[in-house]
Amino acid sequence: GQQLNQSPQSMFIQEGEDVSMNCTSSSIFNTWLWYKQDPGEGPVLLIALYKAGELTSNGRLTAQFGITRKDSFLNISASIPSDVGIYFCAGPSNTGNQFYFGTGTSLTVIP
Amino acid sequence: DTEVTQTPKHLVMGMTNKKSLKCEQHMGHRAMYWYKQKAKKPPELMFVYSYEKLSINESVPSRFSPECPNSSLLNLHLHALQPEDSALYLCASSQDSVRGRTGNTIYFGEGSWLTVV
Repeated sequence: GQQLNQSPQSMFIQEGEDVSMNCTSSSIFNTWLWYKQDPGEGPVLLIALYKAGELTSNGRLTAQFGITRKDSFLNISASIPSDVGIYFCAGPSNTGNQFYFGTGTSLTVIP
Repeated sequence: DTEVTQTPKHLVMGMTNKKSLKCEQHMGHRAMYWYKQKAKKPPELMFVYSYEKLSINESVPSRFSPECPNSSLLNLHLHALQPEDSALYLCASSQDSVRGRTGNTIYFGEGSWLTVV
């Protein structure tokens, strides 16, 4: 299946710091999705991007759809303890209902 | 709050038991999914139903049997599972299966934690 690579794999940051993570693919996507998953819960959609170059915000979160359509970025400003979790990027296949997921970025916020 | 509802939240079953996981969505979505997820790993696709028909089976062992009674419901029947099947099972839904459709977004339920003993 399609491989989506996320980096960094994990991050340990101080509360109040900004966070950046990215997701890259070997082929183009028409949609990029970003999810946060808390331990023991299902992934929750944070931001959906539908157009190359699009920049979308959701509170302290900002995500961008790369102009090559092969990458996407997620930024979190002024991190807080409840930002802790695993962040996944995802994108749908062009051939039907299959969504590919990134390898995940684990975020730890130190108070 | 998620609009995809999964039950039960937790399930412990023996290797000879038969149990089922249930999922329901009322967003009018026509595609529904089962994923399996191990700790700190991305979700792994198991099955996709599109317009109530099984469209993708990712070579899942026959001890997992999906069922889609109608467009809002999705079940996963479990029988003779192995301890390595212990995982978080996620149900999800999306609008439809139009090829190359821009704007297709997948929504997850809270998951069912399965422990096989």
